[in-house]
Amino acid sequence: DAKTTQPTSMDCAEGRAANLPCNHSTISGNEYVYWYRQIHSQGPQYIIHGLKNNETNEMASLIITEDRKSSTLILPHATLRDTAVYYCIVSPNAGGTSYGKLTFGQGTILTVHP
Amino acid sequence: DAGVIQSPRHEVTEMGQEVTLRCKPISGHNSLFWYRQTMMRGLELLIYFNNNVPIDDSGMPEDRFSAKMPNASFSTLKIQPSEPRDSAVYFCASKGQLNTEAFFGQGTRLTVV
Repeated sequence: DAKTTQPTSMDCAEGRAANLPCNHSTISGNEYVYWYRQIHSQGPQYIIHGLKNNETNEMASLIITEDRKSSTLILPHATLRDTAVYYCIVSPNAGGTSYGKLTFGQGTILTVHP
Repeated sequence: DAGVIQSPRHEVTEMGQEVTLRCKPISGHNSLFWYRQTMMRGLELLIYFNNNVPIDDSGMPEDRFSAKMPNASFSTLKIQPSEPRDSAVYFCASKGQLNTEAFFGQGTRLTVV
């Protein structure tokens, strides 16, 4: 599976946009980019995923570069409750041999401050 | 749906004892994953099932660990005998067909003393 690289930590002011980058230079054509987050003591929570087009939902936006080697998760108006560890994961198509398994890296610790 | 349900939420056991963790996936999901999380190693995938069949157990640390999925609505992770280094939070997750998100349970915090 393709590996991902994320900054260890980031800070963001409350109410501002949080932009979390992720590098996945070895991504292959059928691999999706997923973002999850984990708030302290809870199970990871799905945020968003995409293949090559930009995606937006009620939680966030996902911008994937044209060459698909990197992506950015955008939380448009960060709140204190968005403080969490954010994981960028590249996952093969579930129709392949890996059945959509998710391999977590160390993630980015996002701290939103007042 | 109540989501992925794990039990117990907390378990404290003595070294050498058998421990069984339980997971009820979301109804209709056909993939189930067991993860372990520690400060040192982060979130590690132990094993995952598809349609109740184990697909990849390469993350299972030792023969002391075993997992079963006797039917689509239940899975267990057993540690026998348990050791202090098994202390961790164990998460179960389930996922539906093709390119959908995985849903995680609240985890079981295991402490082996």
